[in-house]
Amino acid sequence: AQSVAQPEDQVNVAEGNPLTVKCTYSVSGNPYLFWYVQYPNRGLQFLLKYITGDNLVKGSYGFEAEFNKSQTSFHLKKPSALVSDSALYFCAVRDTGANNLFFGTGTRLTVIP
Amino acid sequence: NAGVTQTPKFRVLKTGQSMTLLCAQDMNHEYMYWYRQDPGMGLRLIHYSVGEGTTAKGEVPDGYNVSRLKKQNFLLGLESAAPSQTSVYFCASTGQGRSYEQYFGPGTRLTVT
Repeated sequence: AQSVAQPEDQVNVAEGNPLTVKCTYSVSGNPYLFWYVQYPNRGLQFLLKYITGDNLVKGSYGFEAEFNKSQTSFHLKKPSALVSDSALYFCAVRDTGANNLFFGTGTRLTVIP
Repeated sequence: NAGVTQTPKFRVLKTGQSMTLLCAQDMNHEYMYWYRQDPGMGLRLIHYSVGEGTTAKGEVPDGYNVSRLKKQNFLLGLESAAPSQTSVYFCASTGQGRSYEQYFGPGTRLTVT
């Protein structure tokens, strides 16, 4: 069965510093991986995805994620954090038998001015 | 385009009452989903639909029913609400093809007392 794990409930980073939000996955077959962001009282917004190709995926708002097959990881990164990046971040993996997504439990990112 | 819309935005029910949540999308998407979001548990799939007239169970379907009579609408029903159904409910949709990313509505906050 497909699953993703987000080992950190909370990540704090100073404004201007690089940020990393971690995600590991477990799938049978090739993984289709996603990152979403949720701002307070809003729905989830798509950030980026990995389906195939280059291991470094670039997405919205300056975010990128690195797919690492040997470590079964798909960490979200940004070179310089903004206060406006503070939000809840979800990693997800596609169910290989359907178009469903399995979501992680989420990581709350706080960027400190 | 409005994208994915949900009504109502907020609702308070007493135990045993019933209600229907409406999701509408104007992107001509084939697939539609209902999730619930609870603290520390991420998003869990309740039911989904792969096309007009079809529905299928997700991870946590008990206590809910759904219908997809029109392609653009996906209804979630609670026949006899329970306090355990207090949650934030999100609808999402995605099209056919290889994009796979889902588009989310703004959510409905439901409280069952």
